[in-house]
Amino acid sequence: AQSVTQLGSHVSVSEGALVLLRCNYSSSVPPYLFWYVQYPNQGLQLLLKYTSAATLVKGINGFEAEFKKSETSFHLTKPSAHMSDAAEYFCAVSVPTTSGTYKYIFGTGTRLKVLA
Amino acid sequence: DAMVIQNPRYQVTQFGKPVTLSCSQTLNHNVMYWYQQKSSQAPKLLFHYYDKDFNNEADTPDNFQSRRPNTSFCFLDIRSPGLGDAAMYLCATSRDSEGGYDEQFFGPGTRLTVL
Repeated sequence: AQSVTQLGSHVSVSEGALVLLRCNYSSSVPPYLFWYVQYPNQGLQLLLKYTSAATLVKGINGFEAEFKKSETSFHLTKPSAHMSDAAEYFCAVSVPTTSGTYKYIFGTGTRLKVLA
Repeated sequence: DAMVIQNPRYQVTQFGKPVTLSCSQTLNHNVMYWYQQKSSQAPKLLFHYYDKDFNNEADTPDNFQSRRPNTSFCFLDIRSPGLGDAAMYLCATSRDSEGGYDEQFFGPGTRLTVL
């Protein structure tokens, strides 16, 4: 069964420092992987997705992620944290359903805190 | 702008009093999802529609029902809300892609309070 694991439920970084949020996947087939951000009392917004076209994926707000098959990882990075990056981040893998559609399996989420 | 809209954004109901949450979309997507998200947790899929085909998750309580009268609208009915049903309810849509590579688009959510 496909799954994702996010290490670190809480991550704190200083403003201007590197952001690294970890996501490891488990899949017997090439996975489709997604990173979402959620601000308080809002829905989820797509940051980026991996669909096998390129291993380094650039997203919105300066975020990027690299798919590493050998490490079964899809970690999210940003070179320089801004205060506005403080939010909850979810990694997800798309899995087929019995109806022929797809659904997400989410990681448990990582809350990012940015310190002034 | 094409989008997913949820109404109301905040809903207060009483224990045991039925409540309906609504979701509409202008993306013309075939697939619509309902999630429940409790504080500091990941969204939990309740069910989804592929066109009018309803797909329930195995662990979704019978207390939760859904209707999709047309492509644009989908409703979540909670027949007898309990205190444990207080949560954020998220609606999402997706195209019907063959490979699962299309992302889901989320609405802003409805926060349900049960008194």
